[in-house]
Amino acid sequence: ILNVEQSPQSLHVQEGDSTNFTCSFPSSNFYALHWYRWETAKSPEALFVMTLNGDEKKKGRISATLNTKEGYSYLYIKGSQPEDSATYLCAFGGFNKFYFGSGTKLNVKP
Amino acid sequence: DVKVTQSSRYLVKRTGEKVFLECVQDMDHENMFWYRQDPGLGLRLIYFSYDVKMKEKGDIPEGYSVSREKKERFSLILESASTNQTSMYLCASSLTGSGNTIYFGEGSWLTVV
Repeated sequence: ILNVEQSPQSLHVQEGDSTNFTCSFPSSNFYALHWYRWETAKSPEALFVMTLNGDEKKKGRISATLNTKEGYSYLYIKGSQPEDSATYLCAFGGFNKFYFGSGTKLNVKP
Repeated sequence: DVKVTQSSRYLVKRTGEKVFLECVQDMDHENMFWYRQDPGLGLRLIYFSYDVKMKEKGDIPEGYSVSREKKERFSLILESASTNQTSMYLCASSLTGSGNTIYFGEGSWLTVV
């Protein structure tokens, strides 16, 4: 079983704070790294798919970076809003298979 | 709008019953997956299928089987449900290749009593 670790497990921030989470994964046999946002009672939704070392992706206030050589990815949220409250999952893509971390649960207080 | 539909959101079954969880996708995806979500353990892969009638075991296949007779449908079968299979089950699909987005269903909450 391939190990994908996310930290922290949970995070409580105030509205307006910026925050970041980490996803660690094996640096060998890498094909892709995915980030998903999972709100309660909904389906996980894709944020980013990154495939190249050094990739940086941005969507609004959320951005992500990728370092495949050292096996980590960061997800950043700038100026957190209550609607950002969700669990953020990362997934390591091997060949046609995906291995998920246990997620970081973010709670943004108004 | 792309869609992965899981037929049952909430089920309660008795120990020893045979349970079917159905999943349908409308995106013509080759890959389909069944995951199980338990607190603190993340999404764990039970089985996946990369084509009709093809299947591969994931990390926790024991006690489960799958069926993929048509491209759009992937069924998870619990041959004899046990209480330790009480969990949330999540179906997903994607195009071939790890660089493609995974699309998820809304989950099926199964309680085995």
